[in-house]
Amino acid sequence: DGGITQSPKYLFRKEGQNVTLSCEQNLNHDAMYWYRQDPGQGLRLIYYSQIVNDFQKGDIAEGYSVSREKKESFPLTVTSAQKNPTAFYLCASKGTGQYEQYFGPGTRLTVT
Amino acid sequence: AQRVTQPEKLLSVFKGAPVELKCNYSYSGSPELFWYVQYSRQRLQLLLRHISRESIKGFTADLNKGETSFHLKKPFAQEEDSAMYYCALRGNNFNKFYFGSGTKLNVKP
Repeated sequence: DGGITQSPKYLFRKEGQNVTLSCEQNLNHDAMYWYRQDPGQGLRLIYYSQIVNDFQKGDIAEGYSVSREKKESFPLTVTSAQKNPTAFYLCASKGTGQYEQYFGPGTRLTVT
Repeated sequence: AQRVTQPEKLLSVFKGAPVELKCNYSYSGSPELFWYVQYSRQRLQLLLRHISRESIKGFTADLNKGETSFHLKKPFAQEEDSAMYYCALRGNNFNKFYFGSGTKLNVKP
């Protein structure tokens, strides 16, 4: 464990509010990822970034936004446009030329 | 389109029984396949990679290109194998991965 952290572990928000999930890594990895994990649906890619100041949409990017201003950080904002935001969110990172993704502990977001 | 299919949501076996977790994929090129595991209250972590052709914790997986499958097998399941298992694929974009829906393995005593 260690190396990639997500905070907070649990997050509660009211419907209509934007919320930002934090992801930090000290592994010097270039690539970072955000996945959404729902029961029975596995991991679905929201956004990924291959390098600082660059990111690409994944399969379910609608209602989400990201930034990659620093190599170590890849925050995810869940906007009010996301129709079903309550979920478990996983962040991951990977080094250039490597094949293994390293995952954070996850953030469980509940929107009511 | 890229797709990874794990047909079983839940697989229950008794301790000592063989176990096979199924994974099928669709990809037009030459994919790289992985198995990730998530034990209770632990992070998702890599279990094995098809290129390595190694056995990790007694698990093996062989890539069958003809059947587009990458099933995970273990001859004698242990209770500590109980976990959520995800099959994943990496294609030509070395930084993009596709995950299956996962199979929960429950090994009963």
